[in-house]
Amino acid sequence: DAGVIQSPRHEVTEMGQEVTLRCKPISGHDYLFWYRQTMMRGLELLIYFNNNVPIDDSGMPEDRFSAKMPNASFSTLKIQPSEPRDSAVYFCASSSAGQGYGYTFGSGTRLTVV
Amino acid sequence: KQEVTQIPAALSVPEGENLVLNCSFTDSAIYNLQWFRQDPGKGLTSLLLIQSSQREQTSGRLNASLDKSSGRSTLYIAASQPGDSATYLCAVMRPGNEKLTFGTGTRLTIIP
Repeated sequence: DAGVIQSPRHEVTEMGQEVTLRCKPISGHDYLFWYRQTMMRGLELLIYFNNNVPIDDSGMPEDRFSAKMPNASFSTLKIQPSEPRDSAVYFCASSSAGQGYGYTFGSGTRLTVV
Repeated sequence: KQEVTQIPAALSVPEGENLVLNCSFTDSAIYNLQWFRQDPGKGLTSLLLIQSSQREQTSGRLNASLDKSSGRSTLYIAASQPGDSATYLCAVMRPGNEKLTFGTGTRLTIIP
């Protein structure tokens, strides 16, 4: 398996623009997680899905953030409009109940909002 | 609320030495514990996953132990190498909740 695949690896955008981050989980994994990492706040869980259904979105900072999982092999995290304080590394991870819930992380998307 | 602590925040050791990284958690009712490493500018790489019914897991030069009753886990690295330099994170999962609670990490530097 190629692991969890995220795109793009880097994104630079201007304040106010819409940003879409993409994630392909490991095939067969039934959980998908979106995290954000900054120096100040460390790793923060934004939202997670089970079998494509959002389970907990309490970590989504504002209504500007939204996430979808239209099928088992694809998820998006959208920020609209983006702000400089959204600059961070965004990670996607997936896990499987059948494998003891061990997480596998993607390589992340480094977002810079100028 | 589960809190996970990793002390020290940073550690430097000469190459070749064996070392131990520590992880403490406040709520002993955990489902599993996972150790990760993160290289600068990179994602998290899973090292070892210990289920609550297990006492330890081993992979190569790495050995992780779990003592739920005392709320502690250790990651033992044998014969350290410069390539082991990274930040090491532990994370715990509660039963019935698939979210991980992460520690703040230990930044390890192996001195050649």
